[in-house]
Amino acid sequence: DGGITQSPKYLFRKEGQNVTLSCEQNLNHDAMYWYRQDPGQGLRLIYYSQIVNDFQKGDIAEGYSVSREKKESFPLTVTSAQKNPTAFYLCASGQGLADTQYFGPGTRLTVL
Amino acid sequence: GENVEQHPSTLSVQEGDSAVIKCTYSDSASNYFPWYKQELGKRPQLIIDIRSNVGEKKDQRIAVTLNKTAKHFSLHITETQPEDSAVYFCAASKSSGTYKYIFGTGTRLKVLA
Repeated sequence: DGGITQSPKYLFRKEGQNVTLSCEQNLNHDAMYWYRQDPGQGLRLIYYSQIVNDFQKGDIAEGYSVSREKKESFPLTVTSAQKNPTAFYLCASGQGLADTQYFGPGTRLTVL
Repeated sequence: GENVEQHPSTLSVQEGDSAVIKCTYSDSASNYFPWYKQELGKRPQLIIDIRSNVGEKKDQRIAVTLNKTAKHFSLHITETQPEDSAVYFCAASKSSGTYKYIFGTGTRLKVLA
């Protein structure tokens, strides 16, 4: 999992702003994922991508957008439509079907 | 829909005792079952996994067992230590359809010194 990086580590957003979280991997993994984790809660899937230029909505995609223009990169944009975005955001990558997902260190987003 | 139930939600054990966490999955096509440990404020890290062609797997103090008939799998930690205190998540995935995991809701393990 050392091959997955996320930036920034901490991010503060004002009401009405869009912000973009970065996720990069050098593991040559086909699949990448974004999860949201609220305090004391589990992992909820926002979006995932199985291949470059393709992605699917997860369980809580509303108010978020993604792109997958390169195999190594899967940025997540938290839009102003996401009314309660304060959370810990985790990116993961893996080879795909029935294979291990490895997590990045996370970005903690706080709305001011 | 597909789901994974995880029990208990919290577990306290004395140092040196064993801990067992159980997960039950609904999709009989699931064939890969990882376990993750998440320490406070950190990322989840894989600690052990099992595939459906194996009934049990061990790695030092940690073991996972799988019962395909009953559709449940369990994490066993022996000789627990304070550093085992964390939240543990189970997950299930399969070799067809989408790449996503179905995660359990997590178990907060406290090892009391």
